[in-house]
Amino acid sequence: NAGVTQTPKFQVLKTGQSMTLQCAQDMNHNSMYWYRQDPGMGLRLIYYSASEGTTDKGEVPNGYNVSRLNKREFSLRLESAAPSQTSVYFCASSGQEPYEQYFGPGTRLTVT
Amino acid sequence: GENVEQHPSTLSVQEGDSAVIKCTYSDSASNYFPWYKQELGKRPQLIIDIRSNVGEKKDQRIAVTLNKTAKHFSLHITETQPEDSAVYFCAASYDKVIFGPGTSLSVIP
Repeated sequence: NAGVTQTPKFQVLKTGQSMTLQCAQDMNHNSMYWYRQDPGMGLRLIYYSASEGTTDKGEVPNGYNVSRLNKREFSLRLESAAPSQTSVYFCASSGQEPYEQYFGPGTRLTVT
Repeated sequence: GENVEQHPSTLSVQEGDSAVIKCTYSDSASNYFPWYKQELGKRPQLIIDIRSNVGEKKDQRIAVTLNKTAKHFSLHITETQPEDSAVYFCAASYDKVIFGPGTSLSVIP
C-alpha cells in the first residue's frame, strides 16, 4: 500500500517550458487535491477534485490546469512556467466527506 | 471564500511547558477542523481533528478546542518535548480544505 505517490521529486524548468506533475493514490479515495507551499505562506490550494470527472478551482489556480484521469490519478500541468511558480507542490487525497487528507512526498520545482 | 488565520507565526517554549496555537476561520459552513504537523523536508501529517458538533477533543498531550460561535479553534500541546518542534498548520473545511499559514514551534531543551 503505497498511499499517495508523486513524480517527479525534483524538477528544474526554464521560463516558458511546460511540464506535468503526476499524482496517484491507492486508497480508493474520492477526493484529490493539489497544493503549493511557499515559505511563510502555508499550503495554498490550487485545484481539487471531489470525485472522478470533476475538478474545481482553489485559491491560486492561475497558470495551472488539472486532469482527473481516473479515480486513482490527478495530474497538474504548467503550460508556460514562470519563476513565480517556483515552489514545493503537494498532492493529497481524502475520503468522501471532509476527512483526513493524506499527502504525497512533494515535488520541488524550480523555474529559472 | 474561506479564509483561515493562524497565530502566532513563530513560537518558542521551554521543554515541559505548554504551547497554544490559535486559528480563526471565515466560512460559517465549515464543519471539519484538522491540525497538521510538518517536520522539515517532510510531508504534512494529521495530528488531531475536530468536527463542528464537538467542542473539545484530546489525544494524550494534544488537545483541540472549537468555538463555532466565535469561529475560532485552538491547539494545545502540554509537556512539550524537543520532538514537538515542527511547523503546525490548522485548516478549515466544508467542501475543500483551506489551510492557515502555519506556526513554527521550537521546543528548547
